[in-house]
Amino acid sequence: DAKTTQPNSMESNEEEPVHLPCNHSTISGTDYIHWYRQLPSQGPEYVIHGLTSNVNNRMASLAIAEDRKSSTLILHRATLRDAAVYYCILRGPTSGTYKYIFGTGTRLKVLA
Amino acid sequence: NAGVTQTPKFRILKIGQSMTLQCTQDMNHNYMYWYRQDPGMGLKLIYYSVGAGITDKGEVPNGYNVSRSTTEDFPLRLELAAPSQTSVYFCASSSLGSGRSETQYFGPGTRLLVL
Repeated sequence: DAKTTQPNSMESNEEEPVHLPCNHSTISGTDYIHWYRQLPSQGPEYVIHGLTSNVNNRMASLAIAEDRKSSTLILHRATLRDAAVYYCILRGPTSGTYKYIFGTGTRLKVLA
Repeated sequence: NAGVTQTPKFRILKIGQSMTLQCTQDMNHNYMYWYRQDPGMGLKLIYYSVGAGITDKGEVPNGYNVSRSTTEDFPLRLELAAPSQTSVYFCASSSLGSGRSETQYFGPGTRLLVL
């Protein structure tokens, strides 16, 4: 299965941008990059996904390297409510058609 | 629109007891999934279903059984509870399980403690 590597934890000050990195050097050309986050005591929730081009939505932006071996989730202004575990997941033939490989993610701490 | 609902929220079982974790979705999704999450770890897939009457094993199926008689419901059965099954269980659904860009919607989870 294609794997991702993320830092175990990161800290950010409130209202500052946060850049959460993810390495996926074994990504295949048909794998999508998904990001989910898990707030304390809740199930994961979808954040954003992309294939090759950078993507923006109301929650975040996803910057994908040109060689697609890494990506960065960008929270433009972190709030206390963004404190969560963020998972970077590959989804495609190399990750298995029906499963997400979650890994341990990055625990984001937001400081007031 | 309730999304994905799970019951119970919390349960304590004795070793050897059995129980069923309930999962219901009202989004008419064809794909449904069961995950477990041990403390400090990511989620691991137990079983999944691509439609009513069709189920298949995930990464960690031992000790569990599932059934899918309707589109809406996907119960998870523990027959002989063991301490190793102490975990938080999440149910999820999606509209296109084989589509690489589909989004999974998760329930709030069931916390299970086996003593």
